[in-house]
Amino acid sequence: EVQLVESGGGLIQPGGSLRLSCAASGFTVSSNYMSWVRQAPGKGLEWVSVIFIVGNTYYADSVKGRFTVSRDNSKNTLYLQMNSLRVEDTAVYYCASTRDYAFDLWGQGTLVTVSS
Amino acid sequence: QTVVTQEPPFSVSPGGTVTLTCGLSSGSVSADYYPSWYRQTPGQAPRTLIYRTNTRSSGVPDRFSGSILGNKAALTITGAQADDESDYYCVLYMGSGSWVFGGGTKVTVL
Repeated sequence: EVQLVESGGGLIQPGGSLRLSCAASGFTVSSNYMSWVRQAPGKGLEWVSVIFIVGNTYYADSVKGRFTVSRDNSKNTLYLQMNSLRVEDTAVYYCASTRDYAFDLWGQGTLVTVSS
Repeated sequence: QTVVTQEPPFSVSPGGTVTLTCGLSSGSVSADYYPSWYRQTPGQAPRTLIYRTNTRSSGVPDRFSGSILGNKAALTITGAQADDESDYYCVLYMGSGSWVFGGGTKVTVL
């Protein structure tokens, strides 16, 4: 079965760091564009970051300089390193494979809560 | 800053047709923005409906269709069913490796 499974969310204080993981099965992370999309409680979807097949990375302005997307090909896993976390980063974070400029396969999401 | 616009909450009668749109605060949406559409019910991950303006994702029934209408992307649901009640989101590819989602439209079937 083709699926993405996120993990690593939790409660973190403002200014802290957290690393999210997205484990893929049934397809190869390194052969796909892979994105992170988040959704604050009761709000809409927000694109966060993408990593291209060749390794280029891009970020939304709201997270640029604080978040880093990466992948481990040997583990077939996508990561999102989140530093200097803010209250407004509180959200469910989804990873998604990205094909034809769209997000086609989504994980179930992992909740990050930034609060003191 | 680019804003992608969608309608406020919308109601449709069972069996009716609804068209949701996806616009830009400045400029027109064209196929060059590769508009795609997603639906989401509370507590669930989004599900892809349409990509590349008008291509249905695998398993999506043909009563969902995408198009460009005037200066906006559009999602049309024909023959609305009760389980079409969802939040619907569009997203546009802005180039240079970035995407912007619309704010979403909540569709109620009643």
